[in-house]
Parts: sequence; C-alpha cells; structure tokens
Amino acid sequence: ELQLVESGGGLVQPGESVRLSCAASGITFVRDWMHWVRQAPGKGLVWVSRIKSDGSDTTYADSVKGRFTISRDNAKNMLYLQMNDLRAEDSAVYYCARLIRGSSLDIWGQGTMVTVSS
Amino acid sequence: QSALTQPASVSGSPGQSITISCTGTSSDVGGYDFVSWYQQHPGKVPKLIIYDVTNRPSGISSRFSGSKTGNTASLTISGLQAEDEADYYCSSYTSRLTVIFGGGTKLTVL
Repeated sequence: ELQLVESGGGLVQPGESVRLSCAASGITFVRDWMHWVRQAPGKGLVWVSRIKSDGSDTTYADSVKGRFTISRDNAKNMLYLQMNDLRAEDSAVYYCARLIRGSSLDIWGQGTMVTVSS
Repeated sequence: QSALTQPASVSGSPGQSITISCTGTSSDVGGYDFVSWYQQHPGKVPKLIIYDVTNRPSGISSRFSGSKTGNTASLTISGLQAEDEADYYCSSYTSRLTVIFGGGTKLTVL
C-alpha cells in the first residue's frame, strides 16, 4: 500500500527558501499524479500544486506561481516542493497526496509544518 | 481563484440526516463530474469519503452520499453518529487544470 511521509518543514524567515520532501512507499508512485495541499492553523485546505507521473507537466495555484517549484524523482520514489521567497501567509501544514482521478486525493501524508516568521 | 462556497457549520442529532452544500461555477463544479469530499477530524489528516460526485472509496460507510445539480454539489450524511463530528471539505477539478477546495464545514452532532 502506498504511504507518504513528508519532511523538511520548520521555522524560516520571510524571504528565505525551504525544500519539502515526500517519501513514497509502494509500487504505484511512478504512475501517479502527485499534489501538494496546505492548511494554515485553524484554516481550511488550500491546493498548492500538482505534477504528472513522469514529471513532464506541472500546475500551480496563483498564490505560489513563480515562487514554488514541484518536482519528483521516480527512481527514489520522492516528491519535492521547493519554496522560495517565503511569506508569512505561506505558514501552514503542507501535505503531499496522491491523485486517483479528477480532484480526488486518496492517500495523504501526515504533513509537515512550515512557519514563516522573523 | 476563490474557494468553493460551503456553509461554515451544520448540526444534527444522532440518527438524523444532514446535507452540506458546495457551490462553485461552470468552470469547476458545474463543468466536471470531478467533485470530491473529505472528512477531517481535529489534528488528523483529511480522508477521502466521496469521489467523482457520487462514488465512495472502499471502506467508506454507505451513510455518506454525494450528488450534484448545476454548479452545486452536496454531501448527505444519513443516520448521524457521534463519530461523524468533523470538518468536511469539498473539492473540484477546474478549467485551469487546478484543484479548488471549499472553505470547509464544521459538523456538530448534538
């Protein structure tokens, strides 16, 4: 069964960068579209980005376009989110999740918290 | 892009049925049969309970059902149980090749 484990979160200052990682276990990762979703403390879910199974196609929310980059290494079963020029409003728990079809994310990691503060 | 519109809260007594609405536009909810619903208990990871408007993943109770009319999707929970108390989120695929979530609805079981 596919399991996802995020890492890389922490406290960063405004304007700094951080890279989140998501380790996948299971045999279907290489065929799966993967997404990042975030949730600020006490707030709702917000979609961030997605990447095609082979890494050839990516899409971003307007709020992170030009600052965040999603990528993957299928040989290592790893998903990444490079986050640059971080702002206070980027503070959230970041989840990686697997897409099964349409907008349906059936497997989620436990999340990693990113706090942007001076 | 603004979030899909959900009521902030709904409530019901054990055994009753409740419905949560999720309103979007023709560019998302109304344009695709790709509406999903998630249940999130406090401090927990979101759990997929409905996909493609009406389908339940394996292991999800038949008390949960979904539907859609025009630009509005709905989640109905029948035979409310205490364990159903949680936050519920809808999501939809969009014409911009993105995914959009609703603002979330807090369900209280009285």
